[in-house]
Amino acid sequence: GAGVSQTPSNKVTEKGKYVELRCDPISGHTALYWYRQSLGQGPEFLIYFQGTGAADDSGLPNDRFFAVRPEGSVSTLKIQRTERGDSAVYLCASSLGGRAFETQYFGPGTRLLVL
Amino acid sequence: DQQVKQNSPSLSVQEGRISILNCDYTNSMFDYFLWYKKYPAEGPTFLISISSIKDKNEDGRFTVFLNKSAKHLSLHIVPSQPGDSAVYFCAASAGTGKLIFGQGTTLQVKP
Repeated sequence: GAGVSQTPSNKVTEKGKYVELRCDPISGHTALYWYRQSLGQGPEFLIYFQGTGAADDSGLPNDRFFAVRPEGSVSTLKIQRTERGDSAVYLCASSLGGRAFETQYFGPGTRLLVL
Repeated sequence: DQQVKQNSPSLSVQEGRISILNCDYTNSMFDYFLWYKKYPAEGPTFLISISSIKDKNEDGRFTVFLNKSAKHLSLHIVPSQPGDSAVYFCAASAGTGKLIFGQGTTLQVKP
């Protein structure tokens, strides 16, 4: 079956611009996660959704970052006034529920470059 | 503050030998631990996990050991194969799906 898909695969933008990154989870998965991976580091948790609501947004670095999941399926990560330090691979994952023992399946990521 | 640490950035082993990847953590609230494997340009793939109530979990060539008193876990791959060459991340959870990852260890298995 189809895995987690993310679009675009690559995004180049200029400092100060607004970007949206999209994630399509595996069908039927109620939990959806966003992580950010900088060069040479492991994935860093940003936010996770259980259904339509954000169950934990403690990893969002500041108020320029916002994520939505209005119908409990597709999610969009929105970054306002991008900065060069936002350059990273943004990973999305989904799982059947939101419990630790439920396997998270990752998408290939969106590589964001802020010039 | 790095709650999950993988202190070896890289490891090289000969095909057929054992690969041992290590991970340390600081948060005593972590109760579930996982290993993920990542190939270039792909997302991480789940490999194996262990609950804090166990000290060992085995799945084929992969075994994870947990030493709670030392706050240390390790992943053993026996025998190692060239296809195992990848970046390995350990991750930990404190009861929810929020995962805290280490920095990763790049494993190279030489034929």
